[in-house]
Amino acid sequence: GAVVSQHPSWVICKSGTSVKIECRSLDFQATTMFWYRQFPKQSLMLMATSNEGSKATYEQGVEKDKFLINHASLTLSTLTVTSAHPEDSSFYICSAPSGGGWSETQYFGPGTRLLVL
Amino acid sequence: QQQVKQSPQSLIVQKGGISIINCAYENTAFDYFPWYQQFPGKGPALLIAIRPDVSEKKEGRFTISFNKSAKQFSLHIMDSQPGDSATYFCAASMTGTASKLTFGTGTRLQVTL
Repeated sequence: GAVVSQHPSWVICKSGTSVKIECRSLDFQATTMFWYRQFPKQSLMLMATSNEGSKATYEQGVEKDKFLINHASLTLSTLTVTSAHPEDSSFYICSAPSGGGWSETQYFGPGTRLLVL
Repeated sequence: QQQVKQSPQSLIVQKGGISIINCAYENTAFDYFPWYQQFPGKGPALLIAIRPDVSEKKEGRFTISFNKSAKQFSLHIMDSQPGDSATYFCAASMTGTASKLTFGTGTRLQVTL
C-alpha cells in the first residue's frame, strides 16, 4: 500500500518556541492531506485539511494562526505549531488519500509526539 | 449529524474467540465505512472497508457486517490473537468531501492467552 512518512517522530521543546512537523507521501502524489491530533486514549480529532497550492481549511475551534499549514508540493505538507505551550503536547498524525484528492482510501503517517515543557 | 458512535469502549477476549465491535452513524450521506487498527505510539492502519451496497465483506479473519436500514456496521475478528490487541476505530466518509473521515471513539481490544 501507499506510504506516508512523518518527521520528526518525536520532539521536545520549550514553551514559546515553534515546532515544524513534516508529512510526506512517499510513493504517490497527494493534493490533499489531513492533520489530526490525538490525546492519550482518545480518538483522532481532525484539525485541518491541507490543500496543495491553496490555503488550508481548519476545523471549528482550531486556531489557524497557531497551527500553520503549508502544502508546498504534491508530496509534502508541513504543520508548524507556533509559540507552543504545554497544552499543545499531543500526538500529531497526518494522512493522505491515495491516488489524489478524491480517493477514498486514506493512509496515515506514523505520527509525531510533541512534548512542550 | 456527523457523529459516529462506537461501542464498547474496551473489550477483553480470550485467544481464539470472536471480537465484535459496533458502530452507528446518523448521517445517511456517508457512503464509505473503513476500520482502522492502531497500536500504541503508531498511526492508524487501514484494516478493512465497506460501501453500503453490500451487507458483508470478509478479508481473512476480519469481517464487516453492514446494516443500512439500521445505520449500523460492525467489525468481527475471528480467532482473535494476542497480536490483535490494539485500538480499533470505525470511521465514515462521504463522496465529495475529499475522503474527510469522521472517526468513532475507539475500542481498546485486549486478547488474552
